[in-house]
Amino acid sequence: EAGVAQSPRYKIIEKRQSVAFWCNPISGHATLYWYQQILGQGPKLLIQFQNNGVVDDSQLPKDRFSAERLKGVDSTLKIQPAKLEDSAVYLCASSLLRTSTDTQYFGPGTRLTVL
Amino acid sequence: SQQGEEDPQALSIQEGENATMNCSYKTSINNLQWYRQNSGRGLVHLILIRSNEREKHSGRLRVTLDTSKKSSSLLITASRAADTASYFCARKGNDYKLSFGAGTTVTVRA
Repeated sequence: EAGVAQSPRYKIIEKRQSVAFWCNPISGHATLYWYQQILGQGPKLLIQFQNNGVVDDSQLPKDRFSAERLKGVDSTLKIQPAKLEDSAVYLCASSLLRTSTDTQYFGPGTRLTVL
Repeated sequence: SQQGEEDPQALSIQEGENATMNCSYKTSINNLQWYRQNSGRGLVHLILIRSNEREKHSGRLRVTLDTSKKSSSLLITASRAADTASYFCARKGNDYKLSFGAGTTVTVRA
């Protein structure tokens, strides 16, 4: 079974530029998550989708971050414009269902450096 | 804000020794999960313990949960070089959201 795929693996941009990350979850997984992991910290949930609908985006900085999951499969996360503090690893995860005991499967992440 | 706090922040042990790390949390949980993250990789789910469970085992892993103290511990027995990684506890509340702590970095010396 293929895991969660993310691209690109690394991205370096200058502040005020735009950037987009792509995620392909495990086939058949209804729930998709985007996390931000700043160096030395644990992942922080940004947004959660159930199929193609947003379940929770309470921690997404909506003035600059946006995400979509068209057709309930792939997802993209965009930052526009980027700030220095956005430097982090962006992790995508998916789970079969949204339950209390579902296991989340994580992709390798995209490491973003904002200069 | 981080909902789980791991202690210690870093741990260095000899191969074959046991490694113990602790996690404290502030609000009620549905369950608590432990994840491992190897350098430059995504997180891998290790074990889940429900709020009504006190201890759980999986291979060389042993997890305990004390809801009265709002704390959990992860024990790795007979450590190997491949156990070198960061370990995160994650609280799952009744809102089904996972909230991660800052992690414990474990280094196993050969």
